[in-house]
Order: sequence, then C-alpha cells, then structure tokens
Amino acid sequence: QQQVKQSPQSLIVQKGGISIINCAYENTAFDYFPWYQQFPGKGPALLIAIRPDVSEKKEGRFTISFNKSAKQFSLHIMDSQPGDSATYFCAASKGSNYKLTFGKGTLLTVNP
Amino acid sequence: DTAVSQTPKYLVTQMGNDKSIKCEQNLGHDTMYWYKQDSKKFLKIMFSYNNKELIINETVPNRFSPKSPDKAHLNLHINSLELGDSAVYFCASSQGGEGARGEAFFGQGTRLTVV
Repeated sequence: QQQVKQSPQSLIVQKGGISIINCAYENTAFDYFPWYQQFPGKGPALLIAIRPDVSEKKEGRFTISFNKSAKQFSLHIMDSQPGDSATYFCAASKGSNYKLTFGKGTLLTVNP
Repeated sequence: DTAVSQTPKYLVTQMGNDKSIKCEQNLGHDTMYWYKQDSKKFLKIMFSYNNKELIINETVPNRFSPKSPDKAHLNLHINSLELGDSAVYFCASSQGGEGARGEAFFGQGTRLTVV
C-alpha cells in the first residue's frame, strides 16, 4: 500500500515557467510533510517542509500548498531555472515515528 | 566538512559475498537511518537507530544487519549478496524529538552492484 502518491512522474518546463508537483497521502496521522530535492549522484536534500496547521509555506521561489481536508499537498517552483532540474520527492512522517515515507519522485527538467 | 559521510561510494561485488557499508555523521544527531533507493529511484526506509537503539526495522531480509557502535556511526553489513540487492543505499541522520522530525540529512549514497 503506497501511503504517499506523487504525480507527475516526470515534468518538463521552460525556463521562467511554474513547476507544480502534487502529492496525496492516506494516513491522517501524518503531521510533517517535507520536500526533498535530489541531483544525480547525490543524496536527497531537504528543500522545504510544512506542518498541517498552515495551508501554505513559501521560501524564495518554492511554495508548498497544503489541503488538509483533501489530504493533498503540492510544491510550486516559480520562475523555474535549469539549475532546478532534479528529482523531487515529497514525504510524510508522523509524531516521533522517525520514519519518512516517500513518494515515488518527479523528474523535473527545466529547458533553457 | 561533510555532515553525513558514507563509504564506499561505489561497491561492485559478486553474488554470495558479504560486504559492509560505513556511515558517520558529525551533526550531533541522535537518530540515524538506512534507506534503499532502487533503480526506479524509489526511496524506502530499511532501519532506524535512536541513541544506538534499533527503533525501526522494516521488512528487510535478515541478511541485512545494521550496527551502531555509537550515536555518530551506523554501519550496514550484508551477507550472501543477491542480484536484487543492487541499489543505492543512503545513510541519513536527524535529531529526534518534537519539532525536528522529518528533517533528515542524507549522505551521498553507496551504489552497490551485485554481479
């Protein structure tokens, strides 16, 4: 059973465009929702994270939108740049469980 | 200074061999993890240690045995390697407790290829 579903699997965006990646979760006990960015040959790195008591969090060009009732959250990358080309993972965890459950990842390509 | 370092970065070995991957973190975190990333890039947790105590053991074959000699180190030993074990293995660490869950720092990964 996949507890965090991520879409799309791959995404191609032109430079300057908006990239949107969506995730849906099933377990209502999840209370922490981070996004990780992974470049080829590197480990995932935390990009931005949100807790369910807020509906939006913005850090620079990156914004998480969170819809608790729909059990969905999404990552928006404004003014996408070629350097943003990477694989993006949404994830979720609950309480002091210490365990991240990841989505399957989205390969983002930003064309110059 | 590398925060989470794991060695080796690449490991090519034959089926049936036993191998180890080492991980060290200098962040002062109390929780360490092993994740497996398959050929489709799916990341799945294998083990988690908090203060040297095993707290998460997902459905992993018992050929995989983690060992945490202290809070800063978590090693992974794999016996009788199989072709299906080929993957990238990531070590990660985080500071447990309220307010810090989920913020895991990952190493560069060890690409294991079993031939």
